[in-house]
Amino acid sequence: GDSVTQTEGPVTVSESESLIINCTYSATSIAYPNLFWYVRYPGEGLQLLLKVITAGQKGSSRGFEATYNKETTSFHLQKASVQESDSAVYYCALGESNYNVLYFGSGTKLTVEP
Amino acid sequence: EAAVTQSPRSKVAVTGGKVTLSCHQTNNHDYMYWYRQDTGHGLRLIHYSYVADSTEKGDIPDGYKASRPSQENFSLILELASLSQTAVYFCASRRTGPNTEVFFGKGTRLTVV
Repeated sequence: GDSVTQTEGPVTVSESESLIINCTYSATSIAYPNLFWYVRYPGEGLQLLLKVITAGQKGSSRGFEATYNKETTSFHLQKASVQESDSAVYYCALGESNYNVLYFGSGTKLTVEP
Repeated sequence: EAAVTQSPRSKVAVTGGKVTLSCHQTNNHDYMYWYRQDTGHGLRLIHYSYVADSTEKGDIPDGYKASRPSQENFSLILELASLSQTAVYFCASRRTGPNTEVFFGKGTRLTVV
């Protein structure tokens, strides 16, 4: 089926350290998967962080980057230097262009310590 | 910025009781969705709608009904709440078209006791 697996949380890193949250996907019924990272800050709804709709392309936002790798079916989220304000829950998601269904990973809770 | 408002934000319900979760969006989006999230799991789609007075089943519709009386409002109804329906529920909306952004509400934490 269609599914997403991501780094089990929680993850704790110190400010200015680098971060990688792994995400792999399985897209058996979606011919051209679109890949997303959503973020949920405390007390807020999920917000789109970045998306990539073409294999081989990289998306970036707020210092975060993710590359759509079709060969390894991965879409890892990276940031070179995290800040306390990055503390949130991060969700990797898979969908198709009409987005009738988005398939989400279980979320990775990130805590950035000062 | 698109706004999706859910009410209530949290609720405690009794097993066997009826629960209605409400969602309101102010951006003229055609599509609206209800997802649930269980601890340790990703969000899963319960119902969605692409036009008023019509709803579609998602991946996990059993035990839930949905109602879309207007473009702005989308409700999720649990006629007979059960313990297994304890979860966080998210409403979302987007406008029609490929690759349009999905906007989420802040979630409703439902506890069935």
